This record gives sequence, C-alpha cells and structure tokens, in this order.
Amino acid sequence: DAGITQSPRHKVTETGTPVTLRCHQTENHRYMYWYRQDPGHGLRLIHYSYGVKDTDKGEVSDGYSVSRSKTEDFLLTLESATSSQTSVYFCAITQGSGGYEQFFGPGTRLTVL
Amino acid sequence: GQQVMQIPQYQHVQEGEDFTTYCNSSTTLSNIQWYKQRPGGHPVFLIQLVKSGEVKKQKRLTFQFGEAKKNSSLHITATQTTDVGTYFCAGPWAAGNKLTFGGGTRVLVKP
Repeated sequence: DAGITQSPRHKVTETGTPVTLRCHQTENHRYMYWYRQDPGHGLRLIHYSYGVKDTDKGEVSDGYSVSRSKTEDFLLTLESATSSQTSVYFCAITQGSGGYEQFFGPGTRLTVL
Repeated sequence: GQQVMQIPQYQHVQEGEDFTTYCNSSTTLSNIQWYKQRPGGHPVFLIQLVKSGEVKKQKRLTFQFGEAKKNSSLHITATQTTDVGTYFCAGPWAAGNKLTFGGGTRVLVKP
C-alpha cells in the first residue's frame, strides 16, 4: 500500500470547529493528494502537493487548506467545519514521475454534526 | 474543464454472467487508468492504458482504450462474488500528475 497512513481514521465533530487530517508516507514520494468521496460524485480532488511547501488547489478546494512542511506529511485542514464537509477523505501519492497511477491511503471518515 | 463520465452507475450481475462498464472523457487523454474499490476500502490501481486501441487483460478482466483516446471500457467475464465493488476510470489533466475520476460503476453480484 505504498506506506501511506491516515489519521484519524474516524472523526465526529461539530459545525464550526477546526479539523486537521493527516496523511503520512514513508517512501519519500514527491506528489501527494487529498480527495473527498461522496455518493454519486466519485473522487474529487481537494488539494495536491508537488513538493515541500508546494501546493495547489483542486476542483473542490473551498473551505479547505493544506500544508506540507515535510516530504512525508501532508495535512488537510477544515478551518470551520460544515455539515457539507461530511465525507470520506482519501490521501494518495504518485510514485515517481511519468506514470500517473496513484496509490491511496485507507481513508478518514469525517462526520460534521 | 475535463469531465470523465461512467455508465452505468450501478450494475447488478448474476454470478457467472459477463458485463461491461464504459468510461467517456470530454477531452482526448494521454492515458486512462482503472481502479477498483471494495466496499469499505480504498481505491486500488488496476491498470493503465496508453496507446490508441490498446487492449489489456487481467485474468477475467479486459480493458480497452478507444481509437480516439476519449473512451474506455472494462469487460468482466464470468463474474464472481470477488468482483463486487466500485470500478473507477481516471484520466490525467493539466500538469502536475493530477487525475480526473469518473463517478464509478458500482457492481453488485447476485449468487
């Protein structure tokens, strides 16, 4: 599974609270991604990173911010969680350059009440 | 922006039967990838197709990339209960190794 872990695996929080999800990889991959998965929408890219301190927005970035201060960690923050952000969040990496195939972490199930 | 669509959204299959799921892109793709997600699991990379008209097989799964490189199909022969899950296609967009995923085909197998 390309050495990807996500924490926490499950979280329940209340509307308006900040939430940070962590993605950790052990194999020094350059590219890391955050997706959300909702019924009927497949996987939608929130933010991605192409190196330490290099990040960019995906298609559904509103309400989310990211940080990558170390190669191995990519953090996703919901500054003020809303019920519409209830979802399953997946982190992914790409191994090497050229090939685009992605490898996913186990996911975090977030419920915002 | 680029859109990737999959049909059908749901596929109920009798065990032992064949079925096909389709993927269509609004733009020409340099390659197309397929992923499988088991219930409660995470997406797992299956295969990548690069050439126009390319056909690849993995046991009972046959993947095809269209001649115009805008569509793809996945055909499963003699469906088994182990085939249950959601199958996603994905195509790269812009630079930076980003993928656009289709909405997926959820496969349910009736024993």
